[in-house]
Amino acid sequence: GENVGLHLPTLSVQEGDNSIINCAYSNSASDYFIWYKQESGKGPQFIIDIRSNMDKRQGQRVTVLLNKTVKHLSLQIAATQPGDSAVYFCAAGANNLFFGTGTRLTVIP
Amino acid sequence: NAGVMQNPRHLVRRRGQEARLRCSPMKGHSHVYWYRQLPEEGLKFMVYLQKENIIDESGMPKERFSAEFPKEGPSILRIQQVVRGDSAAYFCASSPRWEATNEKLFFGSGTQLSVL
Repeated sequence: GENVGLHLPTLSVQEGDNSIINCAYSNSASDYFIWYKQESGKGPQFIIDIRSNMDKRQGQRVTVLLNKTVKHLSLQIAATQPGDSAVYFCAAGANNLFFGTGTRLTVIP
Repeated sequence: NAGVMQNPRHLVRRRGQEARLRCSPMKGHSHVYWYRQLPEEGLKFMVYLQKENIIDESGMPKERFSAEFPKEGPSILRIQQVVRGDSAAYFCASSPRWEATNEKLFFGSGTQLSVL
């Protein structure tokens, strides 16, 4: 299996600032990592993913960093907007995805 | 171009009744996953199915829970003799294929099960 944890249950940032959400995983065999965003009453929505042969991947305003040595994953959101307020989950796995508890991001206007 | 469809959106059952949750994957997707989410918690893997096959049910409780994905029709998560502890949001996800490396999952909007 996999134990996926998040360092902070809540994170508040000022609109326009950058956000960093961290995640730790336990199974060194995990080779696929993914971040999801979940708004209230909705299903998780894919943000960005990364495979174990990469250290960094960028999307639109988001960057995922993977440190396999310390089994750490982070999601960086540039110029955070009010619409980014949600719960963010990381997931890790090889044959199945195991999800962390989630970090609730609140963007302060 | 419909996404993953789950129904019902909300389901209320009394203790001891049966709950049936349905999931239609995205068009072209032959892999279905069920996850359970308690309030303020992450998604817990329950079961992974392909058409007519259960691939991994390591997250399913041993009793009262079953899942199927028939050749025709949606995937069904069935909970018999529900108890209050079964109250949760149940999410279904689908993916087009499963290779050596994972593919991202597309999630439905979930079914909120409330057991009275």
